[in-house]
Amino acid sequence: QKEVEQDPGPLSVPEGAIVSLNCTYSNSAFQYFMWYRQYSRKGPELLMYTYSSGNKEDGRFTAQVDKSSKYISLFIRDSQPSDSATYLCAMSAQVTDKLIFGTGTRLQVFP
Amino acid sequence: KAGVTQTPRYLIKTRGQQVTLSCSPISGHRSVSWYQQTPGQGLQFLFEYFSETQRNKGNFPGRFSGRQFSNSRSEMNVSTLELGDSALYLCASSPTVSPGDTQYFGPGTRLTVL
Repeated sequence: QKEVEQDPGPLSVPEGAIVSLNCTYSNSAFQYFMWYRQYSRKGPELLMYTYSSGNKEDGRFTAQVDKSSKYISLFIRDSQPSDSATYLCAMSAQVTDKLIFGTGTRLQVFP
Repeated sequence: KAGVTQTPRYLIKTRGQQVTLSCSPISGHRSVSWYQQTPGQGLQFLFEYFSETQRNKGNFPGRFSGRQFSNSRSEMNVSTLELGDSALYLCASSPTVSPGDTQYFGPGTRLTVL
């Protein structure tokens, strides 16, 4: 079993839909959680960073962490075709630890 | 400010050969991490360098090695290439080593091993 599990998709939604992307993890020591977006032929770029449990909102994006369920989510409101990309979750236990990534979920938003 | 640059962008090698990939971090960034990305395994951490010292290493065989120079530029080397080494190799830089620091990724080097 991988430390971080993520549904590969693809997830196909119409423009304007609310998108929910999720990751589960097995290591209860993880406390730093990130979401990256990767466009085709590009490197990943950091979207959201959360420490420990709770919610964080940035524009149309909301990150949620539920440490009791070992489950994190990224919500995208009013999705746009420009949101079409692969979304990767990543996490680590300590500040100095390496990041463990999920395999990514491919999202397609059609007009 | 220029982003992370990686050279070459594409590379084709044959089994048994060795390869060296280069990464130039964003100016002022002292931490450089390398990742291997494949469709089946996703992004896997290779190693991290900070101020010319390797701080962390992932679970890859000794054929994978790296180094960082005094100007923070980094190279990774893969010796005795295997078919399974075909992947996108990504380099990321950040100012320090905290995961709270944004890691900026380069576009990657696409390595194909025939």
